[in-house]
Amino acid sequence: GDSVTQMEGPVTLSEEAFLTINCTYTATGYPSLFWYVQYPGEGLQLLLKATKADDKGSNKGFEATYRKETTSFHLEKGSVQVSDSAVYFCALSERAGGFKTIFGAGTRLFVKA
Amino acid sequence: GAVVSQHPSWVICKSGTSVKIECRSLDFQATTMFWYRQFPKQSLMLMATSNEGSKATYEQGVEKDKFLINHASLTLSTLTVTSAHPEDSSFYICSANSGASGRRDEQFFGPGTRLTVL
Repeated sequence: GDSVTQMEGPVTLSEEAFLTINCTYTATGYPSLFWYVQYPGEGLQLLLKATKADDKGSNKGFEATYRKETTSFHLEKGSVQVSDSAVYFCALSERAGGFKTIFGAGTRLFVKA
Repeated sequence: GAVVSQHPSWVICKSGTSVKIECRSLDFQATTMFWYRQFPKQSLMLMATSNEGSKATYEQGVEKDKFLINHASLTLSTLTVTSAHPEDSSFYICSANSGASGRRDEQFFGPGTRLTVL
């Protein structure tokens, strides 16, 4: 079945450092790819998405590019802030699966001032 | 827009009792809602897909008689944990698809319900 694998955390960075969180997926069809974020004490919210190969999703300075050839969707940000401290989930969703979402294990990010 | 609420936000119950958790889409109609379980420092595990007006579809390994799901309207789905035991203690999260054109693959999440079974 479909699955998502993302790098284990926690990741600890200093403010203004460059962030990369790796994510790869396996899917039988052609899924949409997502990054969701869960801030402390809050529910998950969509950070960005991409629906087809070579699409780049972006939001709040975060970016991820849908790479079909490497089945990857790595999350990047050029300069992190303390407020970016959260848990980040890579995920996929397929129409054939009724749009149910499969999540990676999550990566906790700590950003130090 | 696309707000999902859950009630209660936390509940403590005695072993053997049943607990109902409500999930509501506040400003949109949700034909499909999903129920997840999240263990501490772990990812979300999909429990079931809830479709309005029909029986829920449960993921493999999830006991449907234990976790009763009802989706009686386009804005409300309920999860009832029957005869709860301490191992059912967890964080339960619901989500809903917006149904909007081009965004059906996006999910909007409730804030979650912390269940503790004593």
